[in-house]
Amino acid sequence: GAVVSQHPSWVICKSGTSVKIECRSLDFQATTMFWYRQFPKQSLMLMATSNEGSKATYEQGVEKDKFLINHASLTLSTLTVTSAHPEDSSFYICSAHREGTYEQYFGPGTRLTVT
Amino acid sequence: QKEVEQDPGPLSVPEGAIVSLNCTYSNSAFQYFMWYRQYSRKGPELLMYTYSSGNKEDGRFTAQVDKSSKYISLFIRDSQPSDSATYLCAMSAYGATNKLIFGTGTLLAVQP
Repeated sequence: GAVVSQHPSWVICKSGTSVKIECRSLDFQATTMFWYRQFPKQSLMLMATSNEGSKATYEQGVEKDKFLINHASLTLSTLTVTSAHPEDSSFYICSAHREGTYEQYFGPGTRLTVT
Repeated sequence: QKEVEQDPGPLSVPEGAIVSLNCTYSNSAFQYFMWYRQYSRKGPELLMYTYSSGNKEDGRFTAQVDKSSKYISLFIRDSQPSDSATYLCAMSAYGATNKLIFGTGTLLAVQP
C-alpha cells in the first residue's frame, strides 16, 4: 500500500508554454500533499503544501502565480508550471501524507526540460 | 548554516560491510526523523521513521537519534550492491503533515 503516482514522468516543453503535472495517491486518501523540487545532486526543496479544498501554502521565494497548485480531491493534486523558462527545468516530486500515520509517501518524480 | 547537514559522499564499501550514514541538525524543535533511499531519477522511498530519541531496527537497517547531540544515524548491516543509492535524512518538527527538511543526501556505492 501507500503508492503515489505522478504523470507524466518526463516532459519537454518550449519556453513560454505551460505544463501540468499530476500527483495521485492510488490506495489511500491524502488531505495534504506536498510539492518538492530537486536540482541535480542537490536535496529536495519544498515548494508548497497543498490541502484538499483550500489554497496551497507556498514556501518563501516560490512564485505562486508561476507554480499553480490545485488539490481538487483527496487523491489528486496538480502542479502547473506557467510560462515555463529553461531555469524551471528540474525534477519535480510530490508526496502525500497518509492519514493516521506520521509518514509522507513520495511519487516517482517528473523530469521537466524547458527548451 | 544549513538546518540539516549531511556528508554528500560518495561512500564506497565492499559487499557485506556495515555502513554508517549520519546527519546533524541545528533546530532543536525537530522531533520526527526519517531516512529515505533514492535511486537515480526516482522518487525517495521511506526506509525508517523515528520519533524523538532512541533506536529503531528493521531488518538490516537501524536508525538512531540522539537529540542531545542533534545527531542521527542510519546503519546498514550486511550491505548489498542493491543498497547502492542516495540516502537522504529528513526531519520535521510536527510530523508528516508538515514540511520535511532534507539533508543533501549521501551517495552510497556497495561494490560486489
